[in-house]
Amino acid sequence: KAGVTQTPRYLIKTRGQQVTLSCSPISGHRSVSWYQQTPGQGLQFLFEYFSETQRNKGNFPGRFSGRQFSNSRSEMNVSTLELGDSALYLCASSLVSGRDPYEQYFGPGTRLTVT
Amino acid sequence: AQSVAQPEDQVNVAEGNPLTVKCTYSVSGNPYLFWYVQYPNRGLQFLLKYITGDNLVKGSYGFEAEFNKSQTSFHLKKPSALVSDSALYFCAVRDITPSGAGSYQLTFGKGTKLSVIP
Repeated sequence: KAGVTQTPRYLIKTRGQQVTLSCSPISGHRSVSWYQQTPGQGLQFLFEYFSETQRNKGNFPGRFSGRQFSNSRSEMNVSTLELGDSALYLCASSLVSGRDPYEQYFGPGTRLTVT
Repeated sequence: AQSVAQPEDQVNVAEGNPLTVKCTYSVSGNPYLFWYVQYPNRGLQFLLKYITGDNLVKGSYGFEAEFNKSQTSFHLKKPSALVSDSALYFCAVRDITPSGAGSYQLTFGKGTKLSVIP
């Protein structure tokens, strides 16, 4: 089975711009979660989607948004980029949305640099 | 709120020696616990998980972890370290009760950098 794929792998944007990141989960996985990883804050949960519905959201401003499509692929969008948004954005998929303790499988991440 | 602590930012161990990466957790009920490893410029790879049952959990690449409820710990161990084990290790906890709309959020520790010295 193919793993979680994320595109693009690297991205450089300017402050004030917006960006869209894409994630394709493992085939059959319906839950997709997004995390932000920075050296200072570590891994922080952004949001989780299951069956096209946002089930949970972390403590991030409204500039961070996401969606999930009927094929379980997910996108996250960051508007009005700030320098502090520079991070590795990780997508993870799992079989179901948490009722059973299925582990999450992570993609390689998208490295976003905001200048 | 649930939390995870990895008290050591870095652990150095000689190749062939046993290694331990420490993790303690705090949750309101019984936890589900996970260990992940991250190699440079890569995503996280699942190593093992504790759900219930035997306190010693065996995982990938020869790693194992010991769940201790009284000490709220879930330390990662390996009997003989390899240079290729050098990476960043994350402990994570998921509460058994939902945090929002039926969702169960994973909370990660800050990570521990493991360096295995040849």
